[in-house]
Amino acid sequence: AQSVTQLGSHVSVSEGALVLLRCNYSSSVPPYLFWYVQYPNQGLQLLLKYTSAATLVKGINGFEAEFKKSETSFHLTKPSAHMSDAAEYFCAVYRSTLGRLYFGRGTQLTVWP
Amino acid sequence: DTGVSQNPRHKITKRGQNVTFRCDPISEHNRLYWYRQTLGQGPEFLTYFQNEAQLEKSRLLSDRFSAERPKGSFSTLEIQRTEQGDSAMYLCASSFQLAEATDTQYFGPGTRLTVL
Repeated sequence: AQSVTQLGSHVSVSEGALVLLRCNYSSSVPPYLFWYVQYPNQGLQLLLKYTSAATLVKGINGFEAEFKKSETSFHLTKPSAHMSDAAEYFCAVYRSTLGRLYFGRGTQLTVWP
Repeated sequence: DTGVSQNPRHKITKRGQNVTFRCDPISEHNRLYWYRQTLGQGPEFLTYFQNEAQLEKSRLLSDRFSAERPKGSFSTLEIQRTEQGDSAMYLCASSFQLAEATDTQYFGPGTRLTVL
């Protein structure tokens, strides 16, 4: 079975501080993992994806995520937060046999000036 | 490439009415997905199409829900006899799936349904 757990439904950081959003997954097969961002009243925008190539994946807007099999984690980081990063972030695991994404419950990121 | 579009963006209806949403995927994408997102939750899978064939439906998709993709292009999602519990954001996504590859799903802006 596939599932995704995002630790922390809300994360607040100051502008310029490190952003760390946590995601742990469970998967019976090697996973394909995604991070999406959602701005208010909008759809989801792909930030980055892991497909079993490099374990450190770089995405858009300065975000990156590291796949750690031993920890079943795929945490999202950004060295320096910007006000425009305030949004909701979703981690998802993809199950190819069923063609569906399983999403976590999301983490709302607030950036203080 | 104009991205995935959805219409309408917002729909308010009374309980018991029927509603229909439309999704236009990215051109040449062979897969189209529908998800539902309620407040404070991540999107949940409803159904998906490979070209015009509906390949899977979630248990969330009750008999009141029906989806079509008649010519393998746009898709419609209809909800009959709406209930207040149907209030949610309905998201459409599309992808181009090659055999054994991992498709990336691109999402539309969603249709927000409010059932009064």
